[in-house]
Amino acid sequence: RKEVEQDPGPFNVPEGATVAFNCTYSNSASQSFFWYRQDCRKEPKLLMSVYSSGNEDGRFTAQLNRASQYISLLIRDSKLSDSATYLCVVNYGTGGFKTIFGAGTRLFVKA
Amino acid sequence: EAGVTQFPSHSVIEKGQTVTLRCDPISGHDNLYWYRRVMGKEIKFLLHFVKESKQDESGMPNNRFLAERTGGTYSTLKVQPAELEDSGVYFCASSPTGQGWGNTIYFGEGSWLTVV
Repeated sequence: RKEVEQDPGPFNVPEGATVAFNCTYSNSASQSFFWYRQDCRKEPKLLMSVYSSGNEDGRFTAQLNRASQYISLLIRDSKLSDSATYLCVVNYGTGGFKTIFGAGTRLFVKA
Repeated sequence: EAGVTQFPSHSVIEKGQTVTLRCDPISGHDNLYWYRRVMGKEIKFLLHFVKESKQDESGMPNNRFLAERTGGTYSTLKVQPAELEDSGVYFCASSPTGQGWGNTIYFGEGSWLTVV
């Protein structure tokens, strides 16, 4: 079993749609959680951190469920520019830390 | 402020040759990381420096890979000798000083390596 699992997609949605991505992680000692966005042949860029209380940034909402070891990302009112791969990222470790990436979920937003 | 920079951006080498990738982290970032993404796979952690010390190198695939960070500034990742399965994109990233797992990681644009 992979340490961080995501549905690879692709998700094909029309502009204006709401789309949700899920991610599960296997290490209960995981400390922090993030969603990164990666455009084709580009580097990953931080989209948002994920907090236990849930957090929102404009059209994006992230949720964390530690009991179920589950993270979600909700995108409302999808834009063409949201088309990208969304990476679920989990950190854990003592002293230093290790970053584990999910394989990513591809999103295509169409006009 | 300059971001994480990597050189070369692309490299094509023959099997058995040596390649050295360089990473300049964001100025003042003590944490420096190397990651790799091979075709069709997820990004994998290779190692983590705190200043010039290797904090965690558990992700290094084998002894053909050598990472250094002399002086705690830039880092190099050498692959010697390169094999076909080493092809992929090598990302360097850095994060500020402090508790590592809470920090945002900033990525470079990657060094795309093709071994033929």
